[in-house]
Amino acid sequence: DSGVTQTPKHLITATGQRVTLRCSPRSGDLSVYWYQQSLDQGLQFLIQYYNGEERAKGNILERFSAQQFPDLHSELNLSSLELGDSALYFCASSVGTGGSQAYNEQFFGPGTRLTVL
Amino acid sequence: QKEVEQDPGPLSVPEGAIVSLNCTYSNSAFQYFMWYRQYSRKGPELLMYTYSSGNKEDGRFTAQVDKSSKYISLFIRDSQPSDSATYLCAMTVGNAGNMLTFGGGTRLMVKP
Repeated sequence: DSGVTQTPKHLITATGQRVTLRCSPRSGDLSVYWYQQSLDQGLQFLIQYYNGEERAKGNILERFSAQQFPDLHSELNLSSLELGDSALYFCASSVGTGGSQAYNEQFFGPGTRLTVL
Repeated sequence: QKEVEQDPGPLSVPEGAIVSLNCTYSNSAFQYFMWYRQYSRKGPELLMYTYSSGNKEDGRFTAQVDKSSKYISLFIRDSQPSDSATYLCAMTVGNAGNMLTFGGGTRLMVKP
């Protein structure tokens, strides 16, 4: 158990709908990262928040958005869902952001499996 | 072409064999190199990380980085059925963002 929690475990919805995925980081971790894992694209970085502020953005669609709240939990919002959005969505957390010449281990949660029908 | 390439396998070996897993990459700015293990329907867990070039050993696992060739390897000695999983290499430039770029993963099966 990494200490990162994600809810829900599974989500089944229809095209065009909107869903919210929730992540609670490990105690003491200030950074939250969101990743998408699909069969064709593999595990891809979406977005990072550090202490409530957006720090880095990857291949995140405009239909997707995220935020980190004062209690450090994070939510990933996916809207106008398409069949291709079906994937595993992972949240990871780390103590800091990582500075120059620094590395912060990222701990991954169990993921949310999203199925869009 | 993807930034990080990894043979998807599957790789099937008998118990006790030495396993070699590899990744190649194109971005010379990568400084930190990681290997994650992912069991079916679980989140990735970090096995090892290495900074820059060189070798690092941890029990039955050895990670190697050759930055001149843009090639990293993970060796597993005395492989066990419990090692059966998907192994993902990951890299980061180590800047303030710390975002990871993953290979596609290699599925390993260790048969008793």
